Amino acid sequence: EAQVTQNPRYLITVTGKKLTVTCSQNMNHEYMSWYRQDPGLGLRQIYYSMNVEVTDKGDVPEGYKVSRKEKRNFPLILESPSPNQTSLYFCASSPFDRGDSPLHFGNGTRLTVT
Amino acid sequence: GQNIDQPTEMTATEGAIVQINCTYQTSGFNGLFWYQQHAGEAPTFLSYNVLDGLEEKGRFSSFLSRSKGYSYLLLKELQMKDSASYLCAASSGGYQKVTFGTGTKLQVIP
Repeated sequence: EAQVTQNPRYLITVTGKKLTVTCSQNMNHEYMSWYRQDPGLGLRQIYYSMNVEVTDKGDVPEGYKVSRKEKRNFPLILESPSPNQTSLYFCASSPFDRGDSPLHFGNGTRLTVT
Repeated sequence: GQNIDQPTEMTATEGAIVQINCTYQTSGFNGLFWYQQHAGEAPTFLSYNVLDGLEEKGRFSSFLSRSKGYSYLLLKELQMKDSASYLCAASSGGYQKVTFGTGTKLQVIP
């Protein structure tokens, strides 16, 4: 089944403790992206990647890191999480080989930083 | 810059028709997506408009006016399962930049 898989689904952590949220897609998509979703603010892009070893900042990259060593994986790293990073996170992928290629989203990771 | 506006909430009756509007100001605009998101779930793709006009897909239709920076999603024969948030999103700059509106939460009542 074609899908984007994120792990974990839920994560509670403390301020300053490094964490990684994994994202993997099995559709051979070139493009991958991370979003955070907060009430009243909608989905905001954190980082995106057009291909292996090619990443770029989205609208809210501060406090996050990403890597794209393999086409299928695009982990999101929080080196020193803070409470304002408490949010619902979505990974998405797309072939983006044409304008109408939609984003395929993972099921989300709900992160709480205390 | 990118700016997308859509109403925060709407309520409609089962069996009725509802129109959800979206206005955008996006440099390098390519096209306009609509996604549906049920509470606690991932967004799923509904439609994409790149040319002016109406695109119909079953009970759902989407309209775009590039000159006015305006789109709407039309839902006909509303069902209770259509209660969800509807996200308007503009693609720009070679497709990889997708900016989302804050979403419209639609409640369908009996």
